[in-house]
Amino acid sequence: GAGVSQSPSNKVTEKGKDVELRCDPISGHTALYWYRQSLGQGLEFLIYFQGNSAPDKSGLPSDRFSAERTGGSVSTLTIQRTQQEDSAVYLCASSLSTGTSSGYIQYFGAGTRLSVL
Amino acid sequence: QKEVEQDPGPLSVPEGAIVSLNCTYSNSAFQYFMWYRQYSRKGPELLMYTYSSGNKEDGRFTAQVDKSSKYISLFIRDSQPSDSATYLCASQAGTALIFGKGTTLSVSS
Repeated sequence: GAGVSQSPSNKVTEKGKDVELRCDPISGHTALYWYRQSLGQGLEFLIYFQGNSAPDKSGLPSDRFSAERTGGSVSTLTIQRTQQEDSAVYLCASSLSTGTSSGYIQYFGAGTRLSVL
Repeated sequence: QKEVEQDPGPLSVPEGAIVSLNCTYSNSAFQYFMWYRQYSRKGPELLMYTYSSGNKEDGRFTAQVDKSSKYISLFIRDSQPSDSATYLCASQAGTALIFGKGTTLSVSS
């Protein structure tokens, strides 16, 4: 595709409900990242996928957060039992790889704006 | 201490001004440095990318890295209203990017 695609662009949910956010990376990009952008907090890393390797989940804030990447392409970030503090913009990025200097360049989607009421 | 520090501003300048945006970082292992621009309700887009110390120029934009002082700068010459956005510095050692909080810039015509 032309760029990183995320859906939905906006999601409003009630506290306690589960939500799924989708990311479709740039075709051919093997690395995929999820970040969260909260007001006044900047972007914080959540999880990273590289090819078929085990994901780096070191940034996930709690066990309510999980992500998977099927077939090395599309990824889904799931937040269970949402809380109001989960309200933020969830951004997905992809890169060619991390093995070359240009492979570090990450390209971002427009994000999913999550509001938990 | 956050690994990448950035003054959030806001910064307001008149059209045509030279803008200086700055970040500091604490991790000596950082090798790659990026500047992203983010317009309201959009994802960050890569502006400049440098490896290690030195300068890199692209049109009206110059990125500068001083590893001895752990200082990252972005200069914008002849600023335009279309440059009004939030500018995010980022560094990378390993996999994920470590971002500053972003500086909001407003250029008035």
